[in-house]
Amino acid sequence: GQQLNQSPQSMFIQEGEDVSMNCTSSSIFNTWLWYKQEPGEGPVLLIALYKAGELTSNGRLTAQFGITRKDSFLNISASIPSDVGIYFCAGPPSGTYKYIFGTGTRLKVLA
Amino acid sequence: DGGITQSPKYLFRKEGQNVTLSCEQNLNHDAMYWYRQDPGQGLRLIYYSQIVNDFQKGDIAEGYSVSREKKESFPLTVTSAQKNPTAFYLCASSDRGSGEKLFFGSGTQLSVL
Repeated sequence: GQQLNQSPQSMFIQEGEDVSMNCTSSSIFNTWLWYKQEPGEGPVLLIALYKAGELTSNGRLTAQFGITRKDSFLNISASIPSDVGIYFCAGPPSGTYKYIFGTGTRLKVLA
Repeated sequence: DGGITQSPKYLFRKEGQNVTLSCEQNLNHDAMYWYRQDPGQGLRLIYYSQIVNDFQKGDIAEGYSVSREKKESFPLTVTSAQKNPTAFYLCASSDRGSGEKLFFGSGTQLSVL
């Protein structure tokens, strides 16, 4: 089955640094969802995007819906230790109800 | 409190045994989903249902079965045909439609004895 490609796979950063990650697909998406997962828990929704070019913020998090509708980006500004976790992009390819997920970006923050 | 409840949190299966994972939601959502997550991996779709009494196979449905007799419930059975069942199982729900937000339960860790 299809999975979305996320990069980087993992990253170690210093507290206070900004973080960027992206998600790409071979299919067109009408919705992009970004989630954070902590060990042993279910993913928690961070941001939802609905239009090409849309830029949406949630506190220190900003996500963008790519113009081609085949990619999306998530930025975290001024990272803090509690940002540690796995970040997933997700969405249903256009015309489907099958929500597929990215491979995940594992973030570790060094204090 | 509105939400999605998965039970149990930990489950052990003996060889050749069927086990059922529970998922209940009180969000009044029409659609429900089951995903499997292996260590260090992303989520893979097992089954999904857009409405009561209807469900579709996802990408890895072999060895699993589901039912959707009630709007609030979507139990997943891991059958003996699933030869590698050890994984973290996640249930989600959403309003019906393509592009709605998915909300997740806290997961069930299934292990084989």
